[in-house]
Order: sequence, then C-alpha cells, then structure tokens
Amino acid sequence: TQLLEQSPQFLSIQEGENLTVYCNSSSVFSSLQWYRQEPGEGPVLLVTVVTGGEVKKLKRLTFQFGDARKDSSLHITAAQPGDTGLYLCAGISYGSNDYKLSFGAGTTVTVRA
Amino acid sequence: NAGVTQTPKFQVLKTGQSMTLQCAQDMNHNSMYWYRQDPGMGLRLIYYSASEGTTDKGEVPNGYNVSRLNKREFSLRLESAAPSQTSVYFCASSLDRRIGAFFGQGTRLTVV
Repeated sequence: TQLLEQSPQFLSIQEGENLTVYCNSSSVFSSLQWYRQEPGEGPVLLVTVVTGGEVKKLKRLTFQFGDARKDSSLHITAAQPGDTGLYLCAGISYGSNDYKLSFGAGTTVTVRA
Repeated sequence: NAGVTQTPKFQVLKTGQSMTLQCAQDMNHNSMYWYRQDPGMGLRLIYYSASEGTTDKGEVPNGYNVSRLNKREFSLRLESAAPSQTSVYFCASSLDRRIGAFFGQGTRLTVV
C-alpha cells in the first residue's frame, strides 16, 4: 500500500487543454514535493510546498497543498507537448525524524500536438 | 556542473552474480539515497544515508548493502543478484530532506 496515492494513473489530452493531477494520503506531511520524469532520465524537482493551503506557480503549472497537509494537486494550464512526462509526488511524514522521502506511483501525462 | 553521477548506466547480470552501483554527488549534500523504480510502483527507497558515516534501511532493503564511502560517494551492492532485482536504480542527494532531492540518470539493471 502506497503512502501517497496519485490519480489518475494515465492522462492523455490535446495541446491547449488543461489538466489536474492529484496526490492524496491519510497521513499528514510536513513537506510535499512534485517531480517530473522523462523517459530514460531521473526525476527532476519542480516544487516543494510546506504550508497548509499554500499555492505555488511555476509558469503554467500551479501547485496546491491542502489545508490539512494530507493532499496536493498539480494543475497545468494550456498544456503543451513539452509537458509530457511522468509526474511524481513525494512527501516527508509530519513528525518524522528520519529521512524517508516517500513517493507516489506517478501519473503519466501525454499531451498530443 | 555534474550534480549526481551514477555508473554504470546499463548492466546485465546472471543470477547469483554480484556487482556494485556507484554514485557520486558534487553539491556538498549531506543526505544520499538509493531508490528502485518498477512499472506502476513509483520509486521505493532501498537505503539512505542521512550524513557521512551513517546508513539506514528504507522500504525494500533485502538483498542489498550500501557504503557511504565519504560525503560525496554512496554505493549500492548486490551480493547475489536475483531476477526480482531487475529494475531501474536511482541515486539521489539532498541538502535538506524537506526541500527536495536531486537524482542521477539511473542504472538500468537486468538480471537473467
């Protein structure tokens, strides 16, 4: 059982459309991160959110951390083919003194030209 | 600006063979990690090292050993490879676990 559940597992959309990816857990997190991974490469950190209710924007990407710090979402506006990739969320459990960064299974996003 | 460097990039082993995956980072990070990635399962933590001289087990440590040789290097050893260890292995490092990790390009390992 994954500590972090991501949905949907796969998402295929047309260029110019919007999309949202979700990351949910029953646990509280002190920090939640989003990564993007392209085929044959390692994950690349996009953003870190640490405060409940926090919203961060990175160009056309908007990241939100839930008020209770148990969930997060990634919204992409006007998706482009370059946004294609595997999106992973990862978190540090609240109160944890160890260094275990737990990952969700990921959402594979395909943006068709 | 190398970041996190892993070697080798590809490897094929026969069941029972041993090998060591090498990882080095040049960002002066304290923490280093080894993950494996399998289809549909995301990244699972094998071992991590919070600082030089310390190592701890992650979610799936069985069949693996690690060595934090110095602050820069963190190696992963498979003593007797099994087909279940066929996977893509990623090394990562972080300055602060809460901020985020930097990953290498991965080692694709096949055990036949």
